[in-house]
Amino acid sequence: DTAVSQTPKYLVTQMGNDKSIKCEQNLGHDTMYWYKQDSKKFLKIMFSYNNKELIINETVPNRFSPKSPDKAHLNLHINSLELGDSAVYFCASSQGLIRIAGEVTDTQYFGPGTRLTVL
Amino acid sequence: GQQLNQSPQSMFIQEGEDVSMNCTSSSIFNTWLWYKQDPGEGPVLLIALYKAGELTSNGRLTAQFGITRKDSFLNISASIPSDVGIYFCAGPLGGMRFGAGTRLTVKP
Repeated sequence: DTAVSQTPKYLVTQMGNDKSIKCEQNLGHDTMYWYKQDSKKFLKIMFSYNNKELIINETVPNRFSPKSPDKAHLNLHINSLELGDSAVYFCASSQGLIRIAGEVTDTQYFGPGTRLTVL
Repeated sequence: GQQLNQSPQSMFIQEGEDVSMNCTSSSIFNTWLWYKQDPGEGPVLLIALYKAGELTSNGRLTAQFGITRKDSFLNISASIPSDVGIYFCAGPLGGMRFGAGTRLTVKP
């Protein structure tokens, strides 16, 4: 059974369109994330949800809107797609947020990624 | 901006050689994590370090949490072709931060 799954794996679309990427985890984790990996393979966190509540929202255009219908799902909707949105988007989940010396830490399990190409 | 400096950016080695890569930061980290990403896949956790000075092994992999808490290294001994991939260091700093990755190529 896949622990963290994403659909679709590939998404090719025209500039200006609206698209969604879905993520599901069957690990019973409380926390889920979206990351963007650019062409240079740099991984950047976008959002984090804990028990369906948004806890991290990095500087991401408001065209990106995450939605968590329940703690096993975190979907990413993108409006008015731009060329610069082309990247691989990874969903991840973790057991929960553990605070060590004031910093949040835990280990994350990643999905297989969704390669988005905007033409 | 980039808060974890990972080096080298890429390595080309012969099968059987040992590999070493490291991560440094100007900030103190309380956890260091090392991930590997195979082509077309998501990153997979290799080793987690939670204590300064900690040295942890996972098979042929060994990682250390630097005593200053600002660095960590990962060693791979006796590399094999399936070690190919991108290795990322990561740590929490207002959310999980990742290094830029070390791209490893192993020639049989």
